[in-house]
Amino acid sequence: GAGVSQSPRYKVAKRGQDVALRCDPISGHVSLFWYQQALGQGPEFLTYFQNEAQLDKSGLPSDRFFAERPEGSVSTLKIQRTQQEDSAVYLCASSGARITYEQYFGPGTRLTVT
Amino acid sequence: DQQVKQNSPSLSVQEGRISILNCDYTNSMFDYFLWYKKYPAEGPTFLISISSIKDKNEDGRFTVFLNKSAKHLSLHIVPSQPGDSAVYFCAALNSNSGYALNFGKGTSLLVTP
Repeated sequence: GAGVSQSPRYKVAKRGQDVALRCDPISGHVSLFWYQQALGQGPEFLTYFQNEAQLDKSGLPSDRFFAERPEGSVSTLKIQRTQQEDSAVYLCASSGARITYEQYFGPGTRLTVT
Repeated sequence: DQQVKQNSPSLSVQEGRISILNCDYTNSMFDYFLWYKKYPAEGPTFLISISSIKDKNEDGRFTVFLNKSAKHLSLHIVPSQPGDSAVYFCAALNSNSGYALNFGKGTSLLVTP
């Protein structure tokens, strides 16, 4: 079946612009996660949804970052007034049943802020 | 602070030999551990996992060993194949405080023919 998809795959934004990154999880997956991966680092947790409820947003680096999943499927990560330090790959992952901890990742969106 | 550490940035192994990738963690509350494999321009792919109630889990050529007292885990790949060349990430979570994965920085494995 189809895996996690993300769009766009690449995004170049000028400093100060707003961006929106989309994630389509695996159909039927209840849990959805966003991670940020800087160059040479491992992914770092940003936020977690169970269905449409955002249960954990402790990893969001500032109030310029906002995520939503209004109908419990597709999710959007929005970054307002982008800064150069926001340049990274943004990964989305989904997971099925609560007793399963394995998360399945999309290909990521590479954001470059110039 | 980095709670999951992969101290070897890279590893080179000959085809057919064993690859051993190591991972250390500092948070004793972690109770589930996972290994992911990542090719360039792709997202991480789940490989194998282990619960803290076990000390070994095997899946084909891949075996993960967990030493809780040492807060250490390792991934063994036997025999190594050129297609195994990728970056391997170790990840851990505390299932009592949510499902966020804590990742190491990764180890780049090169398997040479």
